[in-house]
Amino acid sequence: DAGITQSPRHKVTETGTPVTLRCHQTENHRYMYWYRQDPGHGLRLIHYSYGVKDTDKGEVSDGYSVSRSKTEDFLLTLESATSSQTSVYFCAISERHQETQYFGPGTRLLVL
Amino acid sequence: DAKTTQPTSMDCAEGRAANLPCNHSTISGNEYVYWYRQIHSQGPQYIIHGLKNNETNEMASLIITEDRKSSTLILPHATLRDTAVYYCIGGNNNDMRFGAGTRLTVKP
Repeated sequence: DAGITQSPRHKVTETGTPVTLRCHQTENHRYMYWYRQDPGHGLRLIHYSYGVKDTDKGEVSDGYSVSRSKTEDFLLTLESATSSQTSVYFCAISERHQETQYFGPGTRLLVL
Repeated sequence: DAKTTQPTSMDCAEGRAANLPCNHSTISGNEYVYWYRQIHSQGPQYIIHGLKNNETNEMASLIITEDRKSSTLILPHATLRDTAVYYCIGGNNNDMRFGAGTRLTVKP
């Protein structure tokens, strides 16, 4: 399995608080992605990165920001969490554009 | 990006071949067809992908029609551990749209 870890794996927080999720890879892959998964919506892309400090928006980027200061880490930040951001968040990596994505184990976030 | 259509659910008997169809009639010439699966609560797992030719690996075979409007994922000898949601995706990797997928249940 590709070396991808996500932390924390579970988090409960309150509305209005900032939350940062971390994705860490040991594969030295260039591309990294954040998805959220909700019942009835499948997996939806939030943001992705195509290199250090290079990021772009996905389908559902509102309310989220990302940062990638080094190849191995991709951070997803909810500046002020809302209940609609309760979800399971998956990180993925790929070596090159149009190549296979490998997914992390996911982070379950509950915003009360 | 290609929109894909898959059946909501399918059953398969253990040891039999599971054939999962996918329609991707809007796929463009340079878009690959990817298949992933997700076992309950885990992250999606890559299975196979193809562009024009049929493909086979240790997990599955992918049959793509000549007009590329549809494809079939074949699990040759399904086991109980193959019970999962299977996603067919058409597109490039920076904007992959995962739909609802097909929930495959392998029964003893």
